Amino acid sequence: DIVMTQSPDSLAVSLGERATINCKSSQPVFYRVNSRNYLGWYQQKPGQPPKLLMYWASTRESGVPDRFSGSGSGTDFTLTISNLQAEDVAVYYCQQYYTPPITFGQGTRLEIK
Amino acid sequence: QVQLIQSGAEVKKPGASVTVSCEASGYTFATYWMHWVRQAPGQGLEWLGWINLKNGDTTYAQKFQGRVTMTRDTSINTAYMEISRLKSDDTAVYFCARGDGDEYYFDYWGQGSLVSVSS
Repeated sequence: DIVMTQSPDSLAVSLGERATINCKSSQPVFYRVNSRNYLGWYQQKPGQPPKLLMYWASTRESGVPDRFSGSGSGTDFTLTISNLQAEDVAVYYCQQYYTPPITFGQGTRLEIK
Repeated sequence: QVQLIQSGAEVKKPGASVTVSCEASGYTFATYWMHWVRQAPGQGLEWLGWINLKNGDTTYAQKFQGRVTMTRDTSINTAYMEISRLKSDDTAVYFCARGDGDEYYFDYWGQGSLVSVSS
């Protein structure tokens, strides 16, 4: 199984500042045939299902503010939230869908400092 | 708009079975896959498997092989996930999630169904 490891487990960032969440996969999730990284990012608020933010590592889902961006390739990925807003308080998960079993990182809890 | 509406909360005893349903609307049901993910209280996300809604093919996470069964009824745009031989650590919120393939991200999620297992 591909193990997804996020860092940090939690972080506190001031409003208007930038938050950076890292995700590392135990093996590459890049598929050479289509040059895609099979990596997604989700945001989950209490009592709600996860919400898709990014897919193919760096493609923003429709309706997601452009404050959210994704980067990385192979085994190392980053979710960056610029100009942090109060509504960004949530737990963030990375996910690999390169091969079953589909696996998620343990989650990163983002709070306001 | 795309919606996935799941069945309500269930309380079961150890050893019993439970079936969670997921009714889809707002898109052509059988052109996608349905994945199932669970989340134990205060924990992260765990993938259980997927069903190809067109032909009924399934793939289950090895951990759940022999205990999980995913089916669908295309006449009513509904997917089902049954877990048998329930244990206390199966207590979790179970989500259905739409994927545009077997190896794909999940763009829409159901609201979740809490399954509590307790004697």
